[in-house]
Amino acid sequence: DTAVSQTPKYLVTQMGNDKSIKCEQNLGHDTMYWYKQDSKKFLKIMFSYNNKELIINETVPNRFSPKSPDKAHLNLHINSLELGDSAVYFCASSLRGDRGGYTFGSGTRLTVV
Amino acid sequence: SQKIEQNSEALNIQEGKTATLTCNYTNYSPAYLQWYRQDPGRGPVFLLLIRENEKEKRKERLKVTFDTTLKQSLFHITASQPADSATYLCALDATQTGANNLFFGTGTRLTVIP
Repeated sequence: DTAVSQTPKYLVTQMGNDKSIKCEQNLGHDTMYWYKQDSKKFLKIMFSYNNKELIINETVPNRFSPKSPDKAHLNLHINSLELGDSAVYFCASSLRGDRGGYTFGSGTRLTVV
Repeated sequence: SQKIEQNSEALNIQEGKTATLTCNYTNYSPAYLQWYRQDPGRGPVFLLLIRENEKEKRKERLKVTFDTTLKQSLFHITASQPADSATYLCALDATQTGANNLFFGTGTRLTVIP
């Protein structure tokens, strides 16, 4: 009965590989997000996705692409992984607007070696 | 450029005292502001939302104020307990810029000493 679930929890991979992180929410929320938390614990928005409307943070490299098969899922695909991609990635969901806070997943710690 | 700053990276207080955390922002006009708690190895957990037309919001031992003139929010935990030790994050919406996203501050790590 987890509200926002991400898999895997840990991901260790070599430079240059392609990997995906999955995210699912069972809250009936209409908007989903991906955030990156770096080593200094700063949370930075990467994408938001609402009813097929994708908003991309302009600083996100195009090696990162979100894929949403339906409203309850927003997966993150990363091509050609680099050392600097190592971070914790959080998926979140919410209702659009100020009707409540975001619900976050427990995070995926990505380590690129 | 837009900035969200939380007054200190770390704050230590004695159990039973009131903890006050500060969030200042520049070049935003948020319609609302939120506070989250993050424990090590976990995702942030939503605590409170306050709208631009609200001065104060309370929830149990938590109180949040929002001053759009000063561009500041204060987050208070009264009668603090060691279990309140965590990192607290403020977050602003960017709706007025056209994006439906929350932008987070750098966080304050609170330690409540028994």
